[in-house]
Amino acid sequence: QITLKESGPTLVKPTQTLTLTCTFSGFSLTTTGVAVGWIRQPPGKALEWLALIFWDDDKRYTPSLRSRLTITKDTSKNQVVLTMTNMDPLDTATYYCAHKPIQGNWFDPWGQGTLVAVSS
Amino acid sequence: QSALTQPRSVSGSPGQSVTLSCTGTGSDVGGYNYVSWYQQHPGKAPKVMIFAVSKRPSGVPDRFSGSKSGITASLTISGLQAEDEADYYCCSYAGSFWVFGGGTKLTVL
Repeated sequence: QITLKESGPTLVKPTQTLTLTCTFSGFSLTTTGVAVGWIRQPPGKALEWLALIFWDDDKRYTPSLRSRLTITKDTSKNQVVLTMTNMDPLDTATYYCAHKPIQGNWFDPWGQGTLVAVSS
Repeated sequence: QSALTQPRSVSGSPGQSVTLSCTGTGSDVGGYNYVSWYQQHPGKAPKVMIFAVSKRPSGVPDRFSGSKSGITASLTISGLQAEDEADYYCCSYAGSFWVFGGGTKLTVL
């Protein structure tokens, strides 16, 4: 059974850097084709895809936020870390991580999400 | 990149069929057979209902079906049930990244 869980601060100040960790089980990020992605959802708004890292360390970012995002993995800890710089109140959202299966371009399953508020 | 276009709301009565649309461009929906659909109930994480345009994960009722024509993908829910009331998001691979739609709120009358 694949599970993922997000962790990180619930509140950050404007201009600070956000660091979120996705801890997963039930699969290995050393398996060919596997990836983990991050998606966010502002309160009452739509999902927005942010970033993804493949088993081979290939990294993908949404073009509009590329300059602010960094995604990394620690296969020994079964973790994926997302950092977002220069946080703004508009970045207030629930942040989800999700598993991308082998030979697939969809996300299943998702973590429960973690709500991050940006406020001074 | 722009979000895929979905109607903000759709409604139907129990037992009816509804179709949710998702319009993109030739660089996303029209360019790849990698459209997926996610159901999200309030306060819950999204759940995949359809992947690769028309495939259903195990456990998803066969009342849910997907299709695509050109730059528009569709999710059809037949035999509408009360528990189908939720937000639905389409998602497409776009070559080097992924893009979601703005979501459709499905109301079961």
